Amino acid sequence: EADIYQTPRYLVIGTGKKITLECSQTMGHDKMYWYQQDPGMELHLIHYSYGVNSTEKGDLSSESTVSRIRTEHFPLTLESARPSHTSQYLCASSEDGTGKVGYTFGSGTRLTVV
Amino acid sequence: AQRVTQPEKLLSVFKGAPVELKCNYSYSGSPELFWYVQYSRQRLQLLLRHISRESIKGFTADLNKGETSFHLKKPFAQEEDSAMYYCAPWWAGNQFYFGTGTSLTVIP
Repeated sequence: EADIYQTPRYLVIGTGKKITLECSQTMGHDKMYWYQQDPGMELHLIHYSYGVNSTEKGDLSSESTVSRIRTEHFPLTLESARPSHTSQYLCASSEDGTGKVGYTFGSGTRLTVV
Repeated sequence: AQRVTQPEKLLSVFKGAPVELKCNYSYSGSPELFWYVQYSRQRLQLLLRHISRESIKGFTADLNKGETSFHLKKPFAQEEDSAMYYCAPWWAGNQFYFGTGTSLTVIP
């Protein structure tokens, strides 16, 4: 089934560990996005990609990095996790970049760094 | 800078009562306007788009350019409408800006 998948759903990890949050979509969308959301706060765009080998930083400064080697895969990596990285991370994709069709969101990864 | 305001974090209405979720935006331009919804234990999903002039699940949203508002309305709330609602303008550029959301509870 065409969809967007995020793994893991929940992750508790110690400070200093390297982590990768996975995001994959089977809809053939070129545009993909990562949002960060703290409880009760806005979603903030931290990374986006308009296609293979294209990545850009969003409005919210983030210590994470992303890669886009394949159209369907847009992983987010934290080289050294810190408690300040505790948040929910949402991945989304879109079939075009104009906004007219909206985004399809994944289920999210709730990250806790202890 | 672009800004989206949803003044009510929490909103409770009785079943059958009208409901209005407020959204104001600020920017020197004309964004496309969207509402997203997240039901309990489900993903964030698109509810409706102003450009489509659509009514989804009985909800409509009116754009008031003078007041820069895009309030979401439904004449008769149902229990299944209980969810988190996000206003999301799209400015020609590349992204949505999401508000902080309003948690709607419909009381039986």
